[in-house]
Formats: sequence, C-alpha cells, structure tokens
Amino acid sequence: GNSVTQMEGPVTLSEEAFLTINCTYTATGYPSLFWYVQYPGEGLQLLLKATKADDKGSNKGFEATYRKETTSFHLEKGSVQVSDSAVYFCALSEYGNNRLAFGKGNQVVVIP
Amino acid sequence: NAGVTQTPKFQVLKTGQSMTLQCAQDMNHEYMSWYRQDPGMGLRLIHYSVGAGITDQGEVPNGYNVSRSTTEDFPLRLLSAAPSQTSVYFCASSYSNFAVGDEQYFGPGTRLTVT
Repeated sequence: GNSVTQMEGPVTLSEEAFLTINCTYTATGYPSLFWYVQYPGEGLQLLLKATKADDKGSNKGFEATYRKETTSFHLEKGSVQVSDSAVYFCALSEYGNNRLAFGKGNQVVVIP
Repeated sequence: NAGVTQTPKFQVLKTGQSMTLQCAQDMNHEYMSWYRQDPGMGLRLIHYSVGAGITDQGEVPNGYNVSRSTTEDFPLRLLSAAPSQTSVYFCASSYSNFAVGDEQYFGPGTRLTVT
C-alpha cells in the first residue's frame, strides 16, 4: 500500500537558518505529493504540491521537488522566520483517488 | 464562503456514550473525509465520501459510522465511545475524487476526550 515516511523528531532552529524536512514515499502508481502545514490550534492547510516527476512545488519561500528516482519530496526553506513555527505533514494521493496518506509530521520550532 | 466548518470544537464523553460530530462545507465539493490525529501518528483516514449517498471506509473505520445525505454535510457518529477514541478529529473536503493533485480543505477540528 501507499505510505509516507518523514524524518523522526521535532526540528528546532534559529531565525534565518536553513530548513530541510525529509520525506520519502512508497506508492504503486504515480502519486501526487503534498506538504500540508498546521499552525497551533488550527486545521491543516496546503503549503505546496507536485503532481508529476521533476515538478517543483513552491509557496511562501518553501520548495519541494518530486524525485521519482529517489521516491522523495523533501521540503526546504532558505531562511525561516518565527512565524514558520508549525507542524509540517508530507502526504500523497494516488491518481484517481483523493485518499491522502500522511506522514507522522514534524514539529518545527523557530527561535528568535 | 465559510469553507469547512466543524462542531463542536471540544467535547468530553463518558465511555459508552454516543455522539455525532458535525461537518459542513459550502464549496459544493464532491469529496469529503474524516481523519483522526493522534500524537506521533499523523492523520489517519476514518471514512470518506465521493458524493451524496456514497461512503466508504478508510484506514481506521471501526467504532464510527457516516452517512452523506446532502453534498454539504458529512456527520461522523460514534456509536459507543471508548477511551481509544480520544483524539482530534478533522473533516476535509475537495472538489472531486478524480482531479489530479486536488487540494483538500480542512476544518478547524474537534477535540474529543473519552473518560
């Protein structure tokens, strides 16, 4: 079945530091890949997505590239702000089916 | 548009009680779903619906029922609450089950505690 694996543990970093969150996936077909973000006390919202190999999703300074050869979709941001503190979820859906499979999420804490 | 709304925001139940979590969307979305979020587990799909009158089970359906009589509403029923159902529940919707890379819109969540 489909599954998503995110790196273990929370991420704590200083303002203006570089952020990387790793995400790898297992899927039978050609999935669409997503990063969702959850701010404290809120529901999830879409951060960015990519629907085919080599596509790059980007939004609010965040980027992720769909790498079919390594089955990865790592999230990066060059200079984080305190307002980026949130939980980040990697997810996938199969072609023709909107069921999302989520990774466990990573808590990101940005310290001023 | 209000988007996806959920009620109640918080709920405490005793073991064995039943209740319904409400979810509504005003975007005319075909696809709706329920997830539960537990610490260290990510979000897991409980049930989903691809249109009015059509529902199906997700990854963790036991102990929950759903129905979809209208496009707008997708209530989740707990038949006999158990402590293992203590969780945060999110409803989500998207335009279609078949659109590639369709964004899902999430409600604000219901925090349920079963004692």
